[in-house]
Amino acid sequence: DAGVTQSPTHLIKTRGQQVTLRCSPKSGHDTVSWYQQALGQGPQFIFQYYEEEERQRGNFPDRFSGHQFPNYSSELNVNALLLGDSALYLCASSSGQGGKTQYFGPGTRLLVL
Amino acid sequence: DAKTTQPTSMDCAEGRAANLPCNHSTISGNEYVYWYRQIHSQGPQYIIHGLKNNETNEMASLIITEDRKSSTLILPHATLRDTAVYYCIVRGQGRGSTLGRLYFGRGTQLTVWP
Repeated sequence: DAGVTQSPTHLIKTRGQQVTLRCSPKSGHDTVSWYQQALGQGPQFIFQYYEEEERQRGNFPDRFSGHQFPNYSSELNVNALLLGDSALYLCASSSGQGGKTQYFGPGTRLLVL
Repeated sequence: DAKTTQPTSMDCAEGRAANLPCNHSTISGNEYVYWYRQIHSQGPQYIIHGLKNNETNEMASLIITEDRKSSTLILPHATLRDTAVYYCIVRGQGRGSTLGRLYFGRGTQLTVWP
């Protein structure tokens, strides 16, 4: 049974570019949450997708957007990259919208130069 | 916003029990206590959660005080592979606008020594 998978594992971009990160949830899960983890900090909630809609959003600008597909996989898009967007981006999946246990993927390390 | 307080760091000798404390004095009646750990540069790993009763699984035990204002995660026989940052998180369950998110603080860096 595959757990949560994310791609790519590492990515290097320059300021102003756009990036798309991908996540496949654990088998049987239909809810995907995205988190950003800066170096030395705990993960910060970006948003959550359920039934192909954004259901909750943390304190992140509109440059951060997402999508969920019918097969429950999800994408995180970041436009107009800033140096401060350099971080580990984590995807977590769970079953249902009601706050069940979230299981995390290995993350995508983004470096913005 | 994180609702928990944890020590910044702790040490433990290999083979001994590691007891990681967490204060959550403002916890509500319907909020659970969750524990995750994160080994360097990997995704957080779910360990255990509980509401008011003590819980045990293959990884750890969770002891929650009767007033639910604090809890302790116990790793009964720590190994070098248990070296990680441990996060204590309080969250609700059920449908609601903010229940889906996890609020991570800085956690406790546990170092297990040989």
